Amino acid sequence: AQSVTQLDSQVPVFEEAPVELRCNYSSSVSVYLFWYVQYPNQGLQLLLKYLSGSTLVKGINGFEAEFNKSQTSFHLRKPSVHISDTAEYFCAVTGNTGFQKLVFGTGTRLLVSP
Amino acid sequence: DVKVTQSSRYLVKRTGEKVFLECVQDMDHENMFWYRQDPGLGLRLIYFSYDVKMKEKGDIPEGYSVSREKKERFSLILESASTNQTSMYLCASSFVGVANTGELFFGEGSRLTVL
Repeated sequence: AQSVTQLDSQVPVFEEAPVELRCNYSSSVSVYLFWYVQYPNQGLQLLLKYLSGSTLVKGINGFEAEFNKSQTSFHLRKPSVHISDTAEYFCAVTGNTGFQKLVFGTGTRLLVSP
Repeated sequence: DVKVTQSSRYLVKRTGEKVFLECVQDMDHENMFWYRQDPGLGLRLIYFSYDVKMKEKGDIPEGYSVSREKKERFSLILESASTNQTSMYLCASSFVGVANTGELFFGEGSRLTVL
């Protein structure tokens, strides 16, 4: 079974500042990793995913994440945030064999202020 | 684009009422899921289905049931709604096959309030 820990429930940041949202996972098998974003009153949409290959993954809206197997982490970063990035961000993991069932973290609320 | 449609965005029901939440996807996905989202708890899986008429319990199935009579439709049923079922409910789907990665496609959610 897999599990995900998002240590920060809320991250306040000023506009144009860099941001990192942390995600650590646990699994006894190789994994696929995902970041989803949820804007207010909407469902979740995929930001980026790591399946295999390069450990640096680029997603939509200027976000990127780095897969670190030794530290079992998949932190999300953006070099310069905008007000419109205010949302909740969820990290998710699944094993890469058998029936894939995503396990989600508890989410990190990114609050961008001017 | 994949479209997952949840029939009701907002519902208000009374304790003890039977509640149906409907979800339809238009991409011929085999897998469908119902999650519940609560502040500080993230998304928790209630039930999922990997084929028509097939269903599996997720992590928190108590108080819920599901129905999948057609491939595109997955319904969540609260037989007797209680106040602790006030929540945001999210439906999702995914496909099966060589390229299956577990990636989910979500609906916009149904916010249920039980009074």
